[in-house]
Amino acid sequence: EVQLVESGGGLVQPGGSLRLSCAASGFTFSGSWMSWVRQAPGKGLEWVATINQDGSEKFYVDSVKGRFTVSRDNAKNSLYLQMNSLRAEDTAVYSCARGAGVSWGPGTLVTVSS
Amino acid sequence: DVVMTQSPLSLPVTLGQPASISCRSSQSLVHSDGNTYLSWFQQRPGQSPRRLIYKVSNRDSGVPDRFSGSGSGTDFTLKISRVEAEDVGVYYCMQNTHWPWTFGQGTKVEIK
Repeated sequence: EVQLVESGGGLVQPGGSLRLSCAASGFTFSGSWMSWVRQAPGKGLEWVATINQDGSEKFYVDSVKGRFTVSRDNAKNSLYLQMNSLRAEDTAVYSCARGAGVSWGPGTLVTVSS
Repeated sequence: DVVMTQSPLSLPVTLGQPASISCRSSQSLVHSDGNTYLSWFQQRPGQSPRRLIYKVSNRDSGVPDRFSGSGSGTDFTLKISRVEAEDVGVYYCMQNTHWPWTFGQGTKVEIK
């Protein structure tokens, strides 16, 4: 069974940093593109970033370019999202997804507030 | 960026009746490899999204056959042949042909 479990969310002040993790199991992680998607409270879905199988290609939505970095560790079946210079508008539930949304984790809430 | 526009945004339906959601993109979703990367997701209340349809018309494993997708180019449709109570939720289209990938605003399906 495919499982994706995010962790690392929490309350952070504007300008602060946070690192999210996603632990994957039940599929060949090293063979899969992986993505981060976020959903602000009461709002729709927004794709954030995607990384290819070996981490050599990374894509970001414009609003996070230069602030967020997606990475992975295939030996640990783990996906990461380093978030710097956080803003109030980054407040959302962040979910990792396999590829373009084949499977999703439950998400972890990031709240940016003073 | 490709803008995905869904209609309607709210869809009250009667149990057992059909429902249809439209999704239009601001540019063609035909990829250079010839595929059209348009997916549909269902998000039930309090749950994570679940993909229903990929590449316009392919149902994911376990998705009931009352769900179907169609369309081409810039115009796409998700149809539910007979709405059941478990279909309540928000439905999103998403394109992953062009970077950045983009979602529609979502269509809330509720029972009348």
